[in-house]
Parts: sequence; C-alpha cells; structure tokens
Amino acid sequence: DVVMTQSPLSLPVTLGQPASISCRSSQSLVYSDGDTYLNWFQQRPGQSPRRLIYKVSDRDSGVPDRFSGSGSGTDFTLKISRVEAEDVGVYYCMQGTHWPLTFGGGTKVEIK
Amino acid sequence: QVQLQESGPGLVKPSETLSLTCTVSGGSINNYHWSWIRQPPGKGLEWIGYIYYNGSTNYNPSLKSRVTISVDTSKNQFSLKLSSVTAADTAVYYCARGQRGMPQWGQGTLVTVSS
Repeated sequence: DVVMTQSPLSLPVTLGQPASISCRSSQSLVYSDGDTYLNWFQQRPGQSPRRLIYKVSDRDSGVPDRFSGSGSGTDFTLKISRVEAEDVGVYYCMQGTHWPLTFGGGTKVEIK
Repeated sequence: QVQLQESGPGLVKPSETLSLTCTVSGGSINNYHWSWIRQPPGKGLEWIGYIYYNGSTNYNPSLKSRVTISVDTSKNQFSLKLSSVTAADTAVYYCARGQRGMPQWGQGTLVTVSS
C-alpha cells in the first residue's frame, strides 16, 4: 500500500497568518493517464470530511481561494494564505492513484 | 447538489454482519462511482471500497474477505455488508460519491460492535 505521511501532526496558527501542511507519498502519484490523484480534505470538529483540493491543485466549488495545493510526484503541500477561525479542524491528504486508496494520518490545525 | 444519507443499526454484536445503506438524493446514482470509508473514534480515515453503478466493485485488500458492496439503482441506494465483525470495526462509516477522490460525503453513522 502507498503510505501517506503528513507533517506536522499539530499546527497552532495565529489568526490571519499563513499555514502550510506537507504530505509525502511512498510512491509517485502520477497515474498512467498523466494526472496526479492527490486530494486534500478538511474535517471540522463533529463533521464529515469535505474535499478542498483534487488533482494536486484544483479547488472544489465553494472552497475559499485562501486554500491552495501544490506539488508533484511524491511531495505535496496544502497552504492556507490567511487562517480564519472556521479553518480549525483536521486536514487529510489522500491518494487516488494506487489501490487501495490511502489517507495521511491527519494534521490538526488550531488557533494559538 | 447530490446528498447522501447513511442508515442502519448503530450496534452490532461481535461475529455478526454489519449492514448499512446509503441513500442518494438530488441526483441519479447512475454513471458514478460510490464509496465507503470508515473512521474509528478519534482516529484517521480508511477506504473500504467502491462500487460503480453497473455493479463493478473494488475493495481494500485488508477487508476484502469480509466486505460486500452492492447497488440498487431502482432505489438510488448502495449498501455495505461487513461480516464477522469485531470491536476493531467500531467506527463512523461514511458513504461518498467518487472513486479517486470524493467530492460529496454523507454525514456518517457510528456503528459500535459490542455484545
């Protein structure tokens, strides 16, 4: 199975400041069709996960543009340009290239 | 906007079969892939498997011997069965639309395995 490793585990951030989460995969996530199936999900407390980013950098409809994804191959990053109170929660990366699909362990974003 | 709703027993006895249904509303189940994912209390996410509307499936090998996912297009529903459950199967179970990325999720349902 492809192992997805996220860092940091916990990320205390000051409101209005940027935040960055890293996700590394144990194998390249480039699929045979040329796409890279790397997704980012946000899970607010008590809620189900919500997809923010798909195929590395495409934002889902309704996702604020302060969220951005980047990376390639095995190394990916989710950035929040200016953290707001509603961004508190756990963020997961997930690879959709290799079976079985696998998730990172999660990064908990909290306000300092 | 498609909405998904999980339903089924919240308590299952060890060694029995967990059965959940996901009802899709606001859109057709046809032409899409539909997935099940679970999350043990306080832990991360685990992909269980998916089904295409035509019935083709793909399961996580770690659960494959115990999992069956089926679809009923006439009811706009798909279902999960997990046999021989143990306490380790206690989790919130989510249904979701999608195969390689899930843009829509249900609210989840907690299933506890206990006698």
